[in-house]
Amino acid sequence: AQKVTQAQTEISVVEKEDVTLDCVYETRDTTYYLFWYKQPPSGELVFLIRRNSFDEQNEISGRYSWNFQKSTSSFNFTITASQVVDSAVYFCALHTNAGGTSYGKLTFGQGTILTVHP
Amino acid sequence: ETGVTQSPTHLIKTRGQQVTLRCSSQSGHNTVSWYQQALGQGPQFIFQYYREEENGRGNFPPRFSGLQFPNYSSELNVNALELDDSALYLCASSLDQGPGTGYTFGSGTRLTVV
Repeated sequence: AQKVTQAQTEISVVEKEDVTLDCVYETRDTTYYLFWYKQPPSGELVFLIRRNSFDEQNEISGRYSWNFQKSTSSFNFTITASQVVDSAVYFCALHTNAGGTSYGKLTFGQGTILTVHP
Repeated sequence: ETGVTQSPTHLIKTRGQQVTLRCSSQSGHNTVSWYQQALGQGPQFIFQYYREEENGRGNFPPRFSGLQFPNYSSELNVNALELDDSALYLCASSLDQGPGTGYTFGSGTRLTVV
């Protein structure tokens, strides 16, 4: 069975601080994808990054960076110099093809509520 | 290029009633997935439709059903509503079932069952 754990329920920081959101996943599949989504109060899930299981390179996009480590089944997300606009709920998600079928689904973690204070 | 739109945005229903939620997929996307997000939780997979047929289902009872139409729009139907069905329902469209092109999510329909 697939499982995603985001141990941090809520994080509160002051603007310009760096913050890391942790994500640990479980799967027996050898091919899978990992995602991070941002959910603002409006409700839609905003795509941030997708990483496949064969690509362990870290990635940086502006103030965002991601650290994928297969050895520890972790895919952590760091925001550098946080801003008030970063306040949202962040979800880590694992995509697998269920039991070798043709369809795939996302398994989400519980989410981390990030609040950035001015 | 339009995104995913869902209607209505909010809905209040009484226990035992039936409800239909609608989703208009991103142009060109032939796959739609529905997710249920209870308050304070991550979204949970309900089912996926590919080329107008259900091709995958999560741990939800048969009273949750859906339809996908040739114009890429889709519906989620829930019969015999229960209080626990109160949640945000998210629709996500994608191309060809897989994650290669990613999923585009709508803003959701917030359903309250009283």
